[in-house]
Amino acid sequence: KAGVTQTPRYLIKTRGQQVTLSCSPISGHRSVSWYQQTPGQGLQFLFEYFSETQRNKGNFPGRFSGRQFSNSRSEMNVSTLELGDSALYLCASSGDNSYEQYFGPGTRLTVT
Amino acid sequence: AQTVTQSQPEMSVQEAETVTLSCTYDTSESDYYLFWYKQPPSRQMILVIRQEAYKQQNATENRFSVNFQKAAKSFSLKISDSQLGDAAMYFCAYRKNSGGSNYKLTFGKGTLLTVNP
Repeated sequence: KAGVTQTPRYLIKTRGQQVTLSCSPISGHRSVSWYQQTPGQGLQFLFEYFSETQRNKGNFPGRFSGRQFSNSRSEMNVSTLELGDSALYLCASSGDNSYEQYFGPGTRLTVT
Repeated sequence: AQTVTQSQPEMSVQEAETVTLSCTYDTSESDYYLFWYKQPPSRQMILVIRQEAYKQQNATENRFSVNFQKAAKSFSLKISDSQLGDAAMYFCAYRKNSGGSNYKLTFGKGTLLTVNP
């Protein structure tokens, strides 16, 4: 089975712009979670989607949003980018009734 | 709120030796899962080993094993016969068991493991 894929791998944006990141889970996995990784805050949970519904949400401002499509692919969007949004964004998928999450390679977002 | 603490920001080990990485967590839940993830410089997070809280037996995966002490809320990772490819950032993670409806992982800050030849 192919692993979790994320696109793009690298992204440079300017403060105030918006960005959309994409994640394709492992085939058959319906749960997709997003995490932000920074040197200062470490790994922080953003949100989780299951069958096109957001099931859980972390403590991030409303500028961070996501969605999931019927094929389980997920996108996350960050509007009005701030310098502090520079981070590695990781996506993870999980199968039904499985407690393991499998991560993608991440998208490195740099905000200038 | 659950917290995960890794008290060793950095560790080093000689190739072929054994090293233990520490992790403690705080939770009021009785049913949960614990994980160790490895993140090499390539950044791909890889699941190393997992432990169900209801299991008393410590999990083992080849050269990797854990020492799970539920009462002490401790979950250490032992790497035996260390190899150069084991060099990476290691993260301890916790997940509450909510019957499949909560996939949120809470991570520790990580331990950077260096393997010396």
